[in-house]
Amino acid sequence: DAGVIQSPRHEVTEMGQEVTLRCKPISGHDYLFWYRQTMMRGLELLIYFNNNVPIDDSGMPEDRFSAKMPNASFSTLKIQPSEPRDSAVYFCASSLTGGRAPNEQFFGPGTRLTVL
Amino acid sequence: QQPVQSPQAVILREGEDAVINCSSSKALYSVHWYRQKHGEAPVFLMILLKGGEQKGHEKISASFNEKKQQSSLYLTASQLSYSGTYFCGTAAGSARQLTFGSGTQLTVLP
Repeated sequence: DAGVIQSPRHEVTEMGQEVTLRCKPISGHDYLFWYRQTMMRGLELLIYFNNNVPIDDSGMPEDRFSAKMPNASFSTLKIQPSEPRDSAVYFCASSLTGGRAPNEQFFGPGTRLTVL
Repeated sequence: QQPVQSPQAVILREGEDAVINCSSSKALYSVHWYRQKHGEAPVFLMILLKGGEQKGHEKISASFNEKKQQSSLYLTASQLSYSGTYFCGTAAGSARQLTFGSGTQLTVLP
């Protein structure tokens, strides 16, 4: 089975441009998470969805960031306008409802974003 | 609040043992361990639940002290393939999201 798929794998853009990152979770998984990883701040949760509904977006840095999950097999993270400080690796992860605690998360390969 | 991991980095020889610690100021329901190799995505290792239940890796063990809100990951007889950055992720109550620590970089030398 295919794992979590992310595209693009690398994105280089100029400040002020719109950036859209895409994620296809593992089929059947009902949780989807978006993370950002930098050397300074580590692995940060931005937002997560359950059954396509956003549950907690408190980690989204500011209004320039938005995320959608129009169906169970697709999610996007959009940055508009982008800034150099948005440069990071963005991971998407999915998981299946477990028992009484969060289940293991399966991470995609990540998108390395560079904003010049 | 982010859990605190220690040490930040450790270097050992193949066959040696290592312990990585994770502590939180919050009451924890579960602790999750992941390993990330350079340039790759984090990969799940283990979950430890309040009450003693565990799920995870065959060759790596861990403990969870609920009263102290601490977890330790034990890497015995280290192999070269154990090199990478180890993250603990914590969850409180019924929350489904994890808060990750800053990571421990483990290097195993031949």
